[in-house]
Amino acid sequence: DGGITQSPKYLFRKEGQNVTLSCEQNLNHDAMYWYRQDPGQGLRLIYYSQIVNDFQKGDIAEGYSVSREKKESFPLTVTSAQKNPTAFYLCASSMRMRNQPQHFGDGTRLSIL
Amino acid sequence: SQQGEEDPQALSIQEGENATMNCSYKTSINNLQWYRQNSGRGLVHLILIRSNEREKHSGRLRVTLDTSKKSSSLLITASRAADTASYFCATDAGSSNTGKLIFGQGTTLQVKP
Repeated sequence: DGGITQSPKYLFRKEGQNVTLSCEQNLNHDAMYWYRQDPGQGLRLIYYSQIVNDFQKGDIAEGYSVSREKKESFPLTVTSAQKNPTAFYLCASSMRMRNQPQHFGDGTRLSIL
Repeated sequence: SQQGEEDPQALSIQEGENATMNCSYKTSINNLQWYRQNSGRGLVHLILIRSNEREKHSGRLRVTLDTSKKSSSLLITASRAADTASYFCATDAGSSNTGKLIFGQGTTLQVKP
């Protein structure tokens, strides 16, 4: 079945540590997105990529980095510069054209040790 | 930045009743989408309505769009306990083919059996 896989489901970060969240899709979508969700809140866009080897900052990119070396994969690194990383992180993908829905993974919950 | 404001923030109804959620937005759009999120899971796309459409149906879901008032509503008829979830509206804010969406803060729906 086609879909988006995020791993791990739960992740713990120590002070000063970088951690990487995985996102893989087999939907053959060109566009991929990373969102952050805080409790009781909507989604805020961190980074997005419309094509391999290209990505753009979203509304809250500070303290995060991404890469897009393969069409299927869009990993997100939460760096030590992100001072409040505790949140639920969601990855999504879509076809790269207007009026398309986004397909979401089941998220990674990141907490601080 | 939050494009959508959803109302109410929380809604509790009995099984079999109808549930109505409202979304207002600020800028011009190409489309508005509604998503459902079960607790601890990713978002699931429900319905997309284009800016030149006024109403759309999908099973027990009815979505309306009033671009003059910059508002949309989602009606779930004959609700079931399984409809218990958070519901989010999202707009593309008129962005040209980036696929970027801006999400509202969501309405939490509880359907009591």
